[in-house]
Amino acid sequence: DTVLTQSPALAVSPGERVTISCRASESVSTGMHWYQQKPGQQPKLLIYGASNLESGVPARFSGSGSGTDFTLTIDPVEADDTATYFCQQSWNDWTFGGGTKLELK
Amino acid sequence: EVQLVESGGVLVQPGRSMKLSCAASGFTFSSFPMAWVRQAPTKGLEWVATISTSGGSTYYRDSVKGRFTISRDNAKSTLYLQMDSLRSEDTATYYCTTHRYNWFAYWGQGTLVTVSS
Repeated sequence: DTVLTQSPALAVSPGERVTISCRASESVSTGMHWYQQKPGQQPKLLIYGASNLESGVPARFSGSGSGTDFTLTIDPVEADDTATYFCQQSWNDWTFGGGTKLELK
Repeated sequence: EVQLVESGGVLVQPGRSMKLSCAASGFTFSSFPMAWVRQAPTKGLEWVATISTSGGSTYYRDSVKGRFTISRDNAKSTLYLQMDSLRSEDTATYYCTTHRYNWFAYWGQGTLVTVSS
């Protein structure tokens, strides 16, 4: 299985820029996608194909990377962005990272 | 507006069976592969199973192969997950989701399955 590793948690202040990383155990080309999950809610697609913004998602969100290292960037961060962010690869079946919990100071 | 509404989640004893349903609306159900993704309490997301548009092809994670069966009724715009020989480690919220190519575009609100004696 392709294992995706994410940092467990981050804390930032509103207005700052935050980068959330995801590292794959093997190359997934650009088959990486990002989701936001707020407490008590279902996940929501943010980015697909490593860098493509899903329709309706604010342009504050962006994605980059290829191969094994990927980044989700939020700039600037707003209070409503408090959530857990998951990466997901589609190169070898479908697996998710453990999630990064974003908290605002 | 795309809507996916799961149902069928309950408390069940280990070894028993149950069937989840997902009613879809707001899009052409028969045009999209569909999947089930689960999330154990306070844990991450885990892909469970995928079914093609016609239902002719199905894919499962290893831990549920031979125990779970994904199916669909395109005439009713409904997705199903038959779960047999349930184990405590199957306890999770089960989400119905649409495949768009190789990512999951739309998600239901989830239904909780608890396997416990």
